[in-house]
This record gives sequence, C-alpha cells and structure tokens, in this order.
Amino acid sequence: DGGITQSPKYLFRKEGQNVTLSCEQNLNHDAMYWYRQDPGQGLRLIYYSQIVNDFQKGDIAEGYSVSREKKESFPLTVTSAQKNPTAFYLCASSTGQGAFFGQGTRLTVV
Amino acid sequence: QKEVEQNSGPLSVPEGAIASLNCTYSDRGSQSFFWYRQYSGKSPELIMFIYSNGDKEDGRFTAQLNKASQYVSLLIRDSQPSDSATYLCAVAPPGGYNKLIFGAGTRLAVHP
Repeated sequence: DGGITQSPKYLFRKEGQNVTLSCEQNLNHDAMYWYRQDPGQGLRLIYYSQIVNDFQKGDIAEGYSVSREKKESFPLTVTSAQKNPTAFYLCASSTGQGAFFGQGTRLTVV
Repeated sequence: QKEVEQNSGPLSVPEGAIASLNCTYSDRGSQSFFWYRQYSGKSPELIMFIYSNGDKEDGRFTAQLNKASQYVSLLIRDSQPSDSATYLCAVAPPGGYNKLIFGAGTRLAVHP
C-alpha cells in the first residue's frame, strides 16, 4: 500500500525537551513538506525538501529542524527553542498533481 | 494581502443543494491550483487540481479557474451531510509545485 506514514499519532512533550516526529513515504516522491496547523487555522509551511540532502525553510522554521538523508524519510525535530509547539503537524509529499498528507501528529506540551 | 484567501464560513447549505466555495490568490504567475477536504481532526485529502482556465468536473465536484481574475472555485452538486468539512484551497507559485501555499479554509455545513 503506497502512502505516507507519520508517527506517533499523539506526542506529549515536557518543557525544554526536543522531540522528533517521523515521516516516511513509499510513493517515490521527490518533494516532501512539513506543515503546522493550529486550531481553526490553515496550514503553515515549516520546511520543505525537493531532493535528498537538501531542504529549505518555510514561513515558520524558527525552533524546528529537519534532515533528508533518504528519499523516503523527512523527520522533523521540534526543539526547545520553539516556544509554542502545541499544534497538529502534517507531513506531505508531492508530484505535480498535488500534495498527499500523512495522518498527522498531534503534539501537546505538558 | 494574504497570498491565498478564502472566506472562513461557515457556509451552510441544505442537503441536495449546490455548495460554492471560492478562493482568490495574489501571485498572478501561479500555475497550479488544488482543493482539499479536511474533516475535523483529520489530515487534508486532495479532491481536485486544475491548471487551465475553465471548468474541470469530477463526479459531483467541479473546479473553476479564472486566471485573469485570480480566483478558483469549487462547486459541490447534490451536497450531502457527509460533505460537511473544511475545504482548503492551495496554490503552487511560479517555478513549480514544490511549495504549496494554503488558504485558511472554508467550513461547509450541509444540513438535512
């Protein structure tokens, strides 16, 4: 089954901790993205990558980091520098016919 | 001015009616346009994409694009309660599809 897998579905972070959200795709897409969605709001781009070993900052990259060591994988680390990390995080991959999303990770700071 | 704008709604329509969702964008050079449906608590699901001026139909859905006026719309015919969701418009800026920009979405409520 082709698709995008995000894990975990729910994640709780203590103040000052770094956490890493996993995103894996087997669609053979070159481009991958991370978006953040806050309640009642649209999607804001954190980082995106068009090719292995290359990625660019999106509109809200501060406090986040990514890596793209393999075509299939694009993990996102939420660092302690991100002051308001509670949100719904969505990973996507794309071709020219639109982006396809994983099920999302809901991150909560406790 | 936001790059992609949508009316937040809610847009309330009776079951069986046509729901019309609109989206405007600011970058005149944008080439590709997408509509997503997002149920509460779920991830967005791609419904349709359109590249050329005019209409594109897929089942009960029709996407309409007018590049001169910089708007794209989505019509849902014979609306069903299961269509109740937030509809997100996304635009690919000039230069490729690798950085989709999303509107904030329009919430649609279809009532029996």
